[in-house]
Amino acid sequence: EPEVTQTPSHQVTQMGQEVILRCVPISNHLYFYWYRQILGQKVEFLVSFYNNEISEKSEIFDDQFSVERPDGSNFTLKIRSTKLEDSAMYFCASSATNQPQHFGDGTRLSIL
Amino acid sequence: QQQVKQSPQSLIVQKGGISIINCAYENTAFDYFPWYQQFPGKGPALLIAIRPDVSEKKEGRFTISFNKSAKQFSLHIMDSQPGDSATYFCAASPTDSWGKLQFGAGTQVVVTP
Repeated sequence: EPEVTQTPSHQVTQMGQEVILRCVPISNHLYFYWYRQILGQKVEFLVSFYNNEISEKSEIFDDQFSVERPDGSNFTLKIRSTKLEDSAMYFCASSATNQPQHFGDGTRLSIL
Repeated sequence: QQQVKQSPQSLIVQKGGISIINCAYENTAFDYFPWYQQFPGKGPALLIAIRPDVSEKKEGRFTISFNKSAKQFSLHIMDSQPGDSATYFCAASPTDSWGKLQFGAGTQVVVTP
């Protein structure tokens, strides 16, 4: 069964540094998403992306965050200047039109 | 603003028993209600989903009951098995923002042998 792949599984970064989280969505999916889950808390929507532009973003997704689909297969989330509170699990998801979202296994981001 | 409220926070059930998890929502624009199952170290996996035009949906041992007037929906896991031990999340999204899932806080279910 096709799956969403995320790399790396764990990223450790110094506060203030830039970090890029990578995702390979399911190949025939057109809609892409990022969510995050702070330890012990619920999964929170960050951003949705379709047709090479952001469809919707949450208040969490401020100017420090950006997303990109640099080629036909990857979907990335960049955090420009990381803060301690950015430490969380980041999940990528993808979906076909009007179909359920499929999630990757996440990247654990630890900010020191 | 907690748009989807989930309870209980945790649940212990004996093998063969019924696990029941409840969710309530506030936004009447929500019209898609999925349940996700998450094992440690893994991402959420879609378990079952319902739209408000039906009051119940069953897939194997998993059943969603939906009460539109009360703005509540629940997951029933029949004949619970140790392999069902996981965290379960309810979620909801509105028609005009189908991809923006609003998750509940999650319920950790432990099924004892």
